Amino acid sequence: DIQMTQSPSTLSASVGDRVTITCRASQSISRWLAWYQQKPGKAPNLLIYDASSLESGVPSRFSGSGSGTEFTLTISSLQPDDFATYYCHQYNTYSQTFGQGTKVEIK
Amino acid sequence: EVQLVESGGGLVQPGGSLRLSCAASGFTFSTYWMSWVRQAPGKGLEWLANIKQDGSEQYYMDSVKGRFTISRDNARNSLFLQMNSLRAEDTAVYFCARDHVGGGYRGIIGYWGQGALVTVSS
Repeated sequence: DIQMTQSPSTLSASVGDRVTITCRASQSISRWLAWYQQKPGKAPNLLIYDASSLESGVPSRFSGSGSGTEFTLTISSLQPDDFATYYCHQYNTYSQTFGQGTKVEIK
Repeated sequence: EVQLVESGGGLVQPGGSLRLSCAASGFTFSTYWMSWVRQAPGKGLEWLANIKQDGSEQYYMDSVKGRFTISRDNARNSLFLQMNSLRAEDTAVYFCARDHVGGGYRGIIGYWGQGALVTVSS
């Protein structure tokens, strides 16, 4: 199975900060990567798919980049609603895997 | 409006079985790949299994192969997860999930249910 490793596990930031989360795959997954946001007690919400395509309705401060084995999620200016946990997800193969998550906390 | 509603969760003893159901509405169920994803308390997301539109193909995470079975009934717009030989480490919220778009496999999870809690304990 393809392993997905996110870093950092926890990130402390302030409103207005630029935030970057990294996700590395154990083998090439081309551009078949998505990012989700999850808040406590809620189901995840799709932000980015195919590494860099913004899901409809998601604010443009979210962006994704990368291909192959290294990917990033960037929040250009952190807003109060963005404090949450973020997961990467590879779907290069029928057997999919998630990263372990990155919690974005208030500094 | 797309809706996915899980049911069938609860408390089960180690070694026991449980069958989760997911009632789908608001879209043409038979045209979408469907998945199950779980989340143990305080932990991250874990993909478990998915199934093709007509049910002819299923794929599983290694640790549940042979214990869990994903299935669907397109006439009843329903997805199922049969879980056998349950262990304490299977305790989690189980989410039903739908592919982002219909047609061929994409794998992007576009919609999620709210989840059903399964607790494995004596």
